[in-house]
Amino acid sequence: QKEVEQNSGPLSVPEGAIASLNCTYSDRVSQSFFWYRQYSGKSPELIMSIYSNGDKEDGRFTAQLNKASQYVSLLIRDSQPSDSATYLCAVNLGTGGKLIFGQGTELSVKP
Amino acid sequence: DAGITQSPRHKVTETGTPVTLRCHQTENHRYMYWYRQDPGHGLRLIHYSYGVKDTDKGEVSDGYSVSRSKTEDFLLTLESATSSQTSVYFCAISESPGQGIGNNEQFFGPGTRLTVL
Repeated sequence: QKEVEQNSGPLSVPEGAIASLNCTYSDRVSQSFFWYRQYSGKSPELIMSIYSNGDKEDGRFTAQLNKASQYVSLLIRDSQPSDSATYLCAVNLGTGGKLIFGQGTELSVKP
Repeated sequence: DAGITQSPRHKVTETGTPVTLRCHQTENHRYMYWYRQDPGHGLRLIHYSYGVKDTDKGEVSDGYSVSRSKTEDFLLTLESATSSQTSVYFCAISESPGQGIGNNEQFFGPGTRLTVL
């Protein structure tokens, strides 16, 4: 069983819509969760981190964490074509700060 | 952008040759990491360092060694490159790996695309 799972997509949404990206993880002791955005040919860019149950909002991005259900999600409101990228979910397992990454969800925002 | 550079950015080499990739940071962060990214496998940790001369293995460490003689530099060496090591290599840095602490976020360098023929 993979430790961090994401739907690979591609997820296609129209411009202006809400994009919803999901991630599940297997290690119950994990306490730190991250979302990275990666444009094709570029390096991962940290866009959100979340540590507590509930929602965390930053501009058009909202991260949601539910530790009991072991999932973390990312909502992108008013999606723009510039949001088209692969979104990586990462979970800190607490051993030396190592992150385990999901395989990423490709998002395509159509004008 | 976090002050992280990687060199070289692109390299083509032949099977059996040694290769060293360099990661340099100007953030004075204690923790540094080497990842490789491959289609179908995502990002996987190769080695990491938690201080000068302090390193440990990651998920896919076979065939790789690392060294860190200064806070700012973390070197990844492929002693004898193989075609299976063709990949994109990313360096990352973190101030602290602590659980539940805001400063354990990792920031990535621009990457090195390595091709082993």
